[in-house]
Amino acid sequence: LAKTTQPISMDSYEGQEVNITCSHNNIATNDYITWYQQFPSQGPRFIIQGYKTKVTNEVASLFIPADRKSSTLSLPRVSLSDTAVYYCLVATPPNNAGNMLTFGGGTRLMVKP
Amino acid sequence: GAGVSQSPSNKVTEKGKDVELRCDPISGHTALYWYRQSLGQGLEFLIYFQGNSAPDKSGLPSDRFSAERTGGSVSTLTIQRTQQEDSAVYLCASSLADRERETQYFGPGTRLLVL
Repeated sequence: LAKTTQPISMDSYEGQEVNITCSHNNIATNDYITWYQQFPSQGPRFIIQGYKTKVTNEVASLFIPADRKSSTLSLPRVSLSDTAVYYCLVATPPNNAGNMLTFGGGTRLMVKP
Repeated sequence: GAGVSQSPSNKVTEKGKDVELRCDPISGHTALYWYRQSLGQGLEFLIYFQGNSAPDKSGLPSDRFSAERTGGSVSTLTIQRTQQEDSAVYLCASSLADRERETQYFGPGTRLLVL
């Protein structure tokens, strides 16, 4: 069971780079790492997914070290609209075991002007 | 459809009453998930449907909770004899259940308040 641990909250300022780290010491060989973003009163939204090394898309980058026991979501030049809760999920696709679908508490990011 | 839809968006009920929450997944998505999110908390997995396989009910908190998925599409989450602690946002998600890249697409949720 790959449980995840994230900081409860983080503060940043507009234009800064934000790095949120998730620990998942019990990650299994077939597990992928997925990050979701959730705004108030909305369902979570997919940001990025990776298995190892580095993944980059138009929104963020995901850094995964060789041992895969942690991962870091990097948001470049954040804006006020990036204020949200960010969840790290570790699971083996296709998700066929409910005990692998624990999102954890997430990290509440507050971006200040 | 364009995304996952859920109804009703808000539901207020009295303690002891039954409620039904509906989820319409994205067309073609074979996997469907129900989660519960209490105020200020993370997502709590409830139940998972994948194709024609038996659902994974390991997250259901009690036998008052049940869910069905008809025709591999629409799903209904039923809570019988509601309690005040059932008050939460109930989120539904669907995915292609593709082995390589599985992404869950979430609906807006149903906000349930049990008085």
